[in-house]
Formats: sequence, structure tokens, C-alpha cells
Amino acid sequence: NAGVTQTPKFRILKIGQSMTLQCTQDMNHNYMYWYRQDPGMGLKLIYYSVGAGITDKGEVPNGYNVSRSTTEDFPLRLELAAPSQTSVYFCASSYDSHNSPLHFGNGTRLTVT
Amino acid sequence: KQEVTQIPAALSVPEGENLVLNCSFTDSAIYNLQWFRQDPGKGLTSLLLIQSSQREQTSGRLNASLDKSSGRSTLYIAASQPGDSATYLCAVLRRETSGSRLTFGEGTQLTVNP
Repeated sequence: NAGVTQTPKFRILKIGQSMTLQCTQDMNHNYMYWYRQDPGMGLKLIYYSVGAGITDKGEVPNGYNVSRSTTEDFPLRLELAAPSQTSVYFCASSYDSHNSPLHFGNGTRLTVT
Repeated sequence: KQEVTQIPAALSVPEGENLVLNCSFTDSAIYNLQWFRQDPGKGLTSLLLIQSSQREQTSGRLNASLDKSSGRSTLYIAASQPGDSATYLCAVLRRETSGSRLTFGEGTQLTVNP
């Protein structure tokens, strides 16, 4: 019973490098989300998806891109890493938008130097 | 804009004590309120979800209440145990013209001492 799986757990990037944070869920959830968590700032929504082929911006989308080619996978792409993107990134999913709890992955801790 | 505040930011109690964590929000036009637990280095685990039409939800030693009119929710933990030590976050799902938005508080860090 895997739930939401994120890889990698940790990553160090140099400024200007790119990377993809992977997220997959095996619960057949339609809704998937990417959040970042920073000390003193709480969790902020980066992007979300309401189903395969549909994505939309959240509160802090600049510097990121996403795709949703399948129900299971929702990767987050950083094209030109900046120190401001140092954070812990969480992927989450839910069955619907209003009545179901969110299920979170264990996060990816990213440092950009 | 919805703002969610959790007080206190940190709480330390002896084992066995009953305790209450507080969450307040500014906009009462909500779909639901969720309480989460976060252990160090881990993701968030959903504890309880209260729909806007409900007053409370219970799961084991946990009881969450919701008072939309005053913009408050409480999480009551009975007979606390060291294993309850974690950060507890509340999140409010607010109605917006283009759908909905989930806003998180910054959490209360709970330590239960044996």
C-alpha cells in the first residue's frame, strides 16, 4: 500500500541546473498537488491537477513546470534552479476536491547553492 | 484572502495530560477544515476532516470541533502519549470563484514528555 511516493528524498543543485521531482500515487486519485514548505511560511501551493492532461497554477508557480500525462504521475520540473527554490517539496493527492482528505508523500529536500 | 493562525506555536506537556490545540481562520466561506500531523522529516498525515456542515469529528483519542461563525477549530487530544509528539497543522479549504483553495496554518509543535 504505497500511497504517494516521491523521489528523490534529497538533492543538492547548483544555481542554473535543472531537475525533475517525481511523484506517483497508486490510489487512483484524480487530484494531485505540489506544495513547498519553508520555515515560518507554511505550505504554499505551486501547481495542481484535477485529472490527466489538466494542470493549473497555484500561489507560487514561477520557476516551475508540471505535466500530468497519466493519472498516477505528476512530475515537477525546475528549469533554472535558484537559491530561492531551496525548500522541502511535498506532493499530495486526493480523491476529490471537497470531501476527501489529502494524502502526502514524504517530501524532497532540495538545496540550491 | 484566507488567513489561518495556530496558537500556540509550541507546547510541551507531561504524559497523560489532556490538551487542546487551536486554529483560527478569517473567512467563514469554507468547504472543510482538516487537521494533519507531521513528524520530523516526513510528510503530513491527515487526522480528521470536518465538513462545513459538521460541528465535530472524532477518531480514537482525537476530537476536532468546528465553529464557522467564530472562525475557530480545536483539536482535543485525550490522555497524551510521547508518541503524540509531532507538529500539528490545520488547513482550511475555502470557496473561490474559480474553485477552491487550501490554506495551511504554520502548525503547533507538540512535545509530550514521559
